[in-house]
Amino acid sequence: RKEVEQDPGPFNVPEGATVAFNCTYSNSASQSFFWYRQDCRKEPKLLMSVYSSGNEDGRFTAQLNRASQYISLLIRDSKLSDSATYLCVVNKGYSTLTFGKGTMLLVSP
Amino acid sequence: GAVVSQHPSWVICKSGTSVKIECRSLDFQATTMFWYRQFPKQSLMLMATSNEGSKATYEQGVEKDKFLINHASLTLSTLTVTSAHPEDSSFYICSARSMQGPPGELFFGEGSRLTVL
Repeated sequence: RKEVEQDPGPFNVPEGATVAFNCTYSNSASQSFFWYRQDCRKEPKLLMSVYSSGNEDGRFTAQLNRASQYISLLIRDSKLSDSATYLCVVNKGYSTLTFGKGTMLLVSP
Repeated sequence: GAVVSQHPSWVICKSGTSVKIECRSLDFQATTMFWYRQFPKQSLMLMATSNEGSKATYEQGVEKDKFLINHASLTLSTLTVTSAHPEDSSFYICSARSMQGPPGELFFGEGSRLTVL
């Protein structure tokens, strides 16, 4: 089993749609979790951290399920500018981040 | 937010030559920087952890004699791809962690796209 697994997509959605991505991780000792966004041929940028109680940042909601070892990202009211690859990232220790391959989102007019 | 600058953004070289990539933290000191490689449609793979003033720590399968890392100051780390071959063509990205940011947040350089002919 891969350390961090994501559905590569692409997810094709119209503007205004709600879309959700899941990510599973294999190491139960993982300590913290993040979603990064990577635009084509660009560097990744932190989108949001994922907290145990779940957290929301505007149209983005992240949730963590430690028992099942997965995290999710929900995007409401999709915008064209949300088109990107979303990377699930797991931190096993100090700054040791493991990246998933990413899920590609394409938002169309 | 913290800024990490990487140079060059693009480099094309002949097989057998060496290429140096610089990674600078512009507004914070980074005792540790990380070097990643990303092939098309693949995830970022950590190559090595660069520690200021000491030897880099390489991930399994990464040749330390081929990918030379130097972290001479708190704001600069360099990656030199020695005797580059076409299979070394990839997107190389550095990152660093600012002490002001949340744990696990890394700031990435813009990346360097290497093409070896």
